[in-house]
Amino acid sequence: KAGVTQTPRYLIKTRGQQVTLSCSPISGHRSVSWYQQTPGQGLQFLFEYFSETQRNKGNFPGRFSGRQFSNSRSEMNVSTLELGDSALYLCASSGNTDTQYFGPGTRLTVL
Amino acid sequence: ELKVEQNPLFLSMQEGKNYTIYCNYSTTSDRLYWYRQDPGKSLESLFVLLSNGAVKQEGRLMASLDTKARLSTLHITAAVHDLSATYFCAVDKGSGDKLTFGTGTRLAVRP
Repeated sequence: KAGVTQTPRYLIKTRGQQVTLSCSPISGHRSVSWYQQTPGQGLQFLFEYFSETQRNKGNFPGRFSGRQFSNSRSEMNVSTLELGDSALYLCASSGNTDTQYFGPGTRLTVL
Repeated sequence: ELKVEQNPLFLSMQEGKNYTIYCNYSTTSDRLYWYRQDPGKSLESLFVLLSNGAVKQEGRLMASLDTKARLSTLHITAAVHDLSATYFCAVDKGSGDKLTFGTGTRLAVRP
């Protein structure tokens, strides 16, 4: 089975721009979660989608948003980028066992 | 709010030695996960512990869960260099819930 894929793998943006990251879950998995990883804050939960509905949301400002499509693929969007948004963004999918399997991540650098 | 603490944060150990990483969490949860992360890479699922007293072993790693003490341990037996990585424990409160991660333990195994 193919794993979780994320695109792009690396991204460089400037402050004020917006960015869209994409995640394709493992085939058959309907839940997709997003996490932000930074050296200072560690791994923090952004949001979780299941069957196109956001079920859970972390403590991030409204600049961070996401959605899920009918094929379970998910996108997250960050608007008005700030320097502090530089991070590794990880997507994870889960199926019936609830174990979350992580993708390779998108490394976002904001200049 | 669920809090997860790991210790130590950094562990330098000699090949062939044994050691234990500890993971404490603050509220009732019966689901605990261990992940491994290599530098610049994503998270690899190691163990899922779903009940009190659960013990799982894979190679030189063994994980256990004591839900009464809200404690999980990851024991390393006869460490080898290939085990050098950062190890995270994570907890959730049920299906569809977010993962709350510990700070991670960076393990360096030296010859």
